[in-house]
Amino acid sequence: QFQLVQSGGEVQKPGASVKVSCKASGYTFSAYHVTWVRQAPGQGLEWMGWISAYSGHIDYAEQFQGRVTMTTDTSTSTAYMELRGLRSDDTAVYFCARVPSFPRTYSDGWGQGTLVTVSS
Amino acid sequence: DIQMTQSPSSLSASVGDRVTITCRASQDISNYLAWYQQRPGKVPKLLIYAASTLQSGVPSRFSGSGSETDFTLTISSLQPEDVATYYCQKYNSVPHTFGQGTKVDI
Repeated sequence: QFQLVQSGGEVQKPGASVKVSCKASGYTFSAYHVTWVRQAPGQGLEWMGWISAYSGHIDYAEQFQGRVTMTTDTSTSTAYMELRGLRSDDTAVYFCARVPSFPRTYSDGWGQGTLVTVSS
Repeated sequence: DIQMTQSPSSLSASVGDRVTITCRASQDISNYLAWYQQRPGKVPKLLIYAASTLQSGVPSRFSGSGSETDFTLTISSLQPEDVATYYCQKYNSVPHTFGQGTKVDI
């Protein structure tokens, strides 16, 4: 039984940055990808991108290119997602999820979510 | 990018009813489709992958079918605990786009 534990909620001002962490346990972190998905209040799921914990390969969704950075620290089995230039419409719950290797690149387990509120 | 369109956006059914949700891809994605369940206030949960393979531990009343562009999620006998929003997701190539979701009520 593996687990992904995310950092706590944050309140940030417009224009600021936020960095969310996702600590993995119960599996070999470097054998999987980590994806980030966000959900604005009352809205659906939005794929932000993913990072391979073994190769470091990253893909970002086009709408986040230039504002988002995803990283991993294999020594602590932790993934990070930093979003810069925050706007009010970035207010959302941000999820990390584990992704097996191709062709099984769906999300087979999720973190508990981190609420990021952007407000002046 | 490939778009994923679910229908209906919401439905209401009775306990024991058979419920079907459809997901359409704007291009051929073979069988690289997953279904997730998100109960109110909860984290999404993987139900089905490869269009029709049931994730371990998921009740057998859930089933998936389809390939290429047209997919369905079926709940054979709706239960109270199935009240949730259901999302499809393509994963053949990036971006791994989600459908807009289907809310199921009783």
